[in-house]
Amino acid sequence: EVQLVESGGGLVQPGGSLRLSCAASGFTFSGYWMSWVRQAPGKGLEWMANIKDDGSEKHYLDSVKGRFSISRDNAKNSLFLQMNSLRAEDTAVYYCTRGGKERFDRWGQGALVTVSS
Amino acid sequence: DIQMTQSPSTLSASVGDRVTITCRASQSISSWLAWYHQKPGKAPKLLIYKASTLESGVPSRFSGSGSGTEFTLTISSLQPDDFATYYCQQYNSYPWTFGQGTKVEIK
Repeated sequence: EVQLVESGGGLVQPGGSLRLSCAASGFTFSGYWMSWVRQAPGKGLEWMANIKDDGSEKHYLDSVKGRFSISRDNAKNSLFLQMNSLRAEDTAVYYCTRGGKERFDRWGQGALVTVSS
Repeated sequence: DIQMTQSPSTLSASVGDRVTITCRASQSISSWLAWYHQKPGKAPKLLIYKASTLESGVPSRFSGSGSGTEFTLTISSLQPDDFATYYCQQYNSYPWTFGQGTKVEIK
């Protein structure tokens, strides 16, 4: 069974940093693009970033480019999102998703990130 | 960026109704469109991709159609489990973008 489990969410002050992790299991992690998608409270879905199966290609939403960094460790079946210079508008549930070259076919349960003083 | 606009924003329907949701793209996206639904407090779930291909395990009452800039998601006979918010998503060009969502409520 495919499982994606996010961790690392929490409360952070504006300007602070946080690193999200996603542990993948039940599929050949190194064979898939992976992505992060977020959802602000009561709002819709917003794609953040994706990374190619071998890590050689990455894409970002303009509003997070230079602040967020997506990476992966295929040996540990893990996906990461390093978030720096966090703003109040980054407050959201962050979902780890399988796919992202095209559709997102599996989603984690989400990790809540709250940016507030 | 490609803007995705869904209509209606909210839809009230009864069990057994045929339901149609429309998604319009601000420019042509060929057939590079996916549909998801999401229940409160849960992660979204993929229903359809490439505009009309049913994801494995998704009931056949769901169908998708369209190409270019106009797309539809149809539920042939609404079931209790289908009351949720539905999103379309384009993957024709970066950044990937979603529609604002359509909430399907019980009438």
